[in-house]
Formats: sequence, structure tokens, C-alpha cells
Amino acid sequence: EDKVVQSPLSLVVHEGDTVTLNCSYEVTNFRSLLWYKQEKKAPTFLFMLTSSGIEKKSGRLSSILDKKELFSILNITATQTGDSAVYLCAVERGLTQGGSEKLVFGKGTKLTVNP
Amino acid sequence: NAGVMQNPRHLVRRRGQEARLRCSPMKGHSHVYWYRQLPEEGLKFMVYLQKENIIDESGMPKERFSAEFPKEGPSILRIQQVVRGDSAAYFCASSPNREGSPLHFGNGTRLTVT
Repeated sequence: EDKVVQSPLSLVVHEGDTVTLNCSYEVTNFRSLLWYKQEKKAPTFLFMLTSSGIEKKSGRLSSILDKKELFSILNITATQTGDSAVYLCAVERGLTQGGSEKLVFGKGTKLTVNP
Repeated sequence: NAGVMQNPRHLVRRRGQEARLRCSPMKGHSHVYWYRQLPEEGLKFMVYLQKENIIDESGMPKERFSAEFPKEGPSILRIQQVVRGDSAAYFCASSPNREGSPLHFGNGTRLTVT
């Protein structure tokens, strides 16, 4: 059965700390891995990763994928209170016979950044 | 460019009633996905539609649930004879094509069944 496992499930840090969120997966016919940030409402897209070893950066956030070891990490440096959210990892499966699921999500990591 | 629009934001139904959830995809997006999120759980895929076609409904319960995406108008997720276990947040997402484009999510409809 396909699965996406995120760790830790929750994390509390102080402003200015650096955090690393983990995502491991076992998915047939892997196509890409995505990170989303979810506050009270819609998950908002952060990164899409398809190739191993290529770091994607956006401001204080960065992410990398290891397709050999089947995991990805999301780093946030110099955290701010506005970074408090649930961070969701999702893996996109390619089409297989019998149907396809667009994205398989992990349960998320709840990050709380205290002032 | 407006994002994915869902309405209503909150919906309260008594057991046995019907719930209708609406989703208008982003402009130019022809692929719509519905996901359900329970408290402390990740998003679970329900159904994937293109205009007038259901492409994949493998995540949707066979009974009481149906979805459509007509040629004109929003996509509708319909739940008949709701039960307490249907209480959840239902998110709609859209993309311009099937491969290589991240999904963009709406703000969700929170359904509460009393």
C-alpha cells in the first residue's frame, strides 16, 4: 500500500531557530514530491521536486529530494511566527492500470514558532 | 486571477439530509480534484474530474457520494443522507493539466453533521 510518512508530527521552536521536516515515502510509479503549507484554510503550494539532489529554495525555505533513499526534507531557517502552520508532504503517482491517485498525502507536521 | 473558489465555507446538516459542495476551479484549469480531511489526518483523495467526465473515483465511497463537473458551472460534490462520519473538511483542487503541474487548493468546505 502506498504511504507517505512525515516526522515529527509536531514541533515547537523559538523564533530564529532552524527546523528540518522529514518526509519518507513508499509509492508505486513515483512521479514527483510536493510540499504544501496549510494554515487555517487552503494548503498553499511550496515546492515540487522531481530530481534527486537538486535543492529548491524560496527565501528561508528550501527542500531536497533523495529518490534512492525515498525521502525529502524541508528546511526553514530563521523561523518566524508566521511560519507556524501544518506542513504537508504529498507524492504524485504516475498513471497505473486500475486507476490513479493524483496525490498521496502524509499526515503533516504541525510547526509552532513561539516569539 | 482568482484562485479556486469553494462554497459554502461552512455547512451544517442534520443526519439524513443532503449536502452539496461547490467548487469553481482557477481560470484556465480543466482538471478538478476533491479531497477530504479529517482532524489530525492528511488529505485523502476522493475523485478526479475533467469537464463532463469522471476520470478516477476510486477514493469516493460507492454509496451516497457523487460528483460532477458539468460543461458549464462549478464542480459539485453531493453527499446524500449524510451521517455523522461525513463531518470533515472537503477541499477542492484544480490544475491546468494532469502532469507536471501542482494542484492549487480552495479554502475548503467544513461540513458538520448534527
